[in-house]
Amino acid sequence: GAVVSQHPSRVICKSGTSVKIECRSLDFQATTMFWYRQFPKQSLMLMATSNEGSKATYEQGVEKDKFLINHASLTLSTLTVTSAHPEDSSFYICSATGGTVENNEQFFGPGTRLTVL
Amino acid sequence: SQQGEEDPQALSIQEGENATMNCSYKTSINNLQWYRQNSGRGLVHLILIRSNEREKHSGRLRVTLDTSKKSSSLLITASRAADTASYFCATDALTEKLVFGKGTKLTVNP
Repeated sequence: GAVVSQHPSRVICKSGTSVKIECRSLDFQATTMFWYRQFPKQSLMLMATSNEGSKATYEQGVEKDKFLINHASLTLSTLTVTSAHPEDSSFYICSATGGTVENNEQFFGPGTRLTVL
Repeated sequence: SQQGEEDPQALSIQEGENATMNCSYKTSINNLQWYRQNSGRGLVHLILIRSNEREKHSGRLRVTLDTSKKSSSLLITASRAADTASYFCATDALTEKLVFGKGTKLTVNP
């Protein structure tokens, strides 16, 4: 149980385009979802926390107008990278928690590799 | 700012040997968790230890927590080539937010 999926797993886009990444909890209701970014050989950095039906809370230094987060249902959150540039190339990982998940344990998706040309 | 710091940054051992990774953090925590990440993949949750626990086992994994020293260790016994991955500790305090350390890259040579 407690499976989180992400789509797409890889995306390559041209500079200036927008990219949407989906994060789904498959077998539980995720009251809270988290979005992380990971640069090569580095750790995960939390970008934002989203709760179903409310606005996301962004970490310091993360532009909310650039990284749009929508948590419209208890099983789906989306991250849209608007007007992507090469420096946005990274590995984006979501996690989800909620429902009967013990200790608010976060379950992570497999990640999305974004490459902006 | 990142709270957890793992050491060593990289560890290379032979199959069958034990691997020990350490994690230090700066502020009070509720829980400390260890995750594994294979190259280019998502995170796999290994074990959670609460702040009032001192040691926890799961299969070949042993985690210790010393809140007085603000440190934790992850021991993998009888390592296998399949254990090759990066290992991260993550702490949470009063909120659900996890703060990850920089990770230890473990290589187990067959």
